[in-house]
Amino acid sequence: QQQVKQSPQSLIVQKGGISIINCAYENTAFDYFPWYQQFPGKGPALLIAIRPDVSEKKEGRFTISFNKSAKQFSLHIMDSQPGDSATYFCASTGTASKLTFGTGTRLQVTL
Amino acid sequence: DAGITQSPRHKVTETGTPVTLRCHQTENHRYMYWYRQDPGHGLRLIHYSYGVKDTDKGEVSDGYSVSRSKTEDFLLTLESATSSQTSVYFCAISLTSGNNEQFFGPGTRLTVL
Repeated sequence: QQQVKQSPQSLIVQKGGISIINCAYENTAFDYFPWYQQFPGKGPALLIAIRPDVSEKKEGRFTISFNKSAKQFSLHIMDSQPGDSATYFCASTGTASKLTFGTGTRLQVTL
Repeated sequence: DAGITQSPRHKVTETGTPVTLRCHQTENHRYMYWYRQDPGHGLRLIHYSYGVKDTDKGEVSDGYSVSRSKTEDFLLTLESATSSQTSVYFCAISLTSGNNEQFFGPGTRLTVL
């Protein structure tokens, strides 16, 4: 039972462009929304996270936008670089610290 | 990988055999998790532990059991492996419950023939 829907499945962006990945959640009890980055052959690593009391969080080139009323949040990667090529997962968690992950977006940044 | 090791890193086994995967941490984190990663499904929680001998089921726990006799070790056992359990398995740890970062291990690639 999918509780976090992520799109697109794959994304190709030119170097210097903006990458945008979207997620929608169903459970209004979710109160923590992290994004994980995964390189081939590695485990996921936390990239950036947001709580629902703010609408936006920025860390360097990475920004999360959060829309509580629409139950959606998105990851924006500004000035995308080839080194950003990876798979990105959104996730949500409420009580008991159990993360529910989206299905992932494979990002390729071309030269 | 935040002081998390998984063993073995790769394993090929046959249908019907028991398999045990090990997760070892040196961070003394209380919470430990087992996930499986499959194309089109992202990461799905199998079991988790919130302390020594305290475990609970996740989203896809059927066919799996876990044990945690020490803070640093969390074992995942496939009681009788099936081809549908071919996957990449990740262990994760977290210092506290709630909105806290989970650190992932390097993964174990399991193939069940």
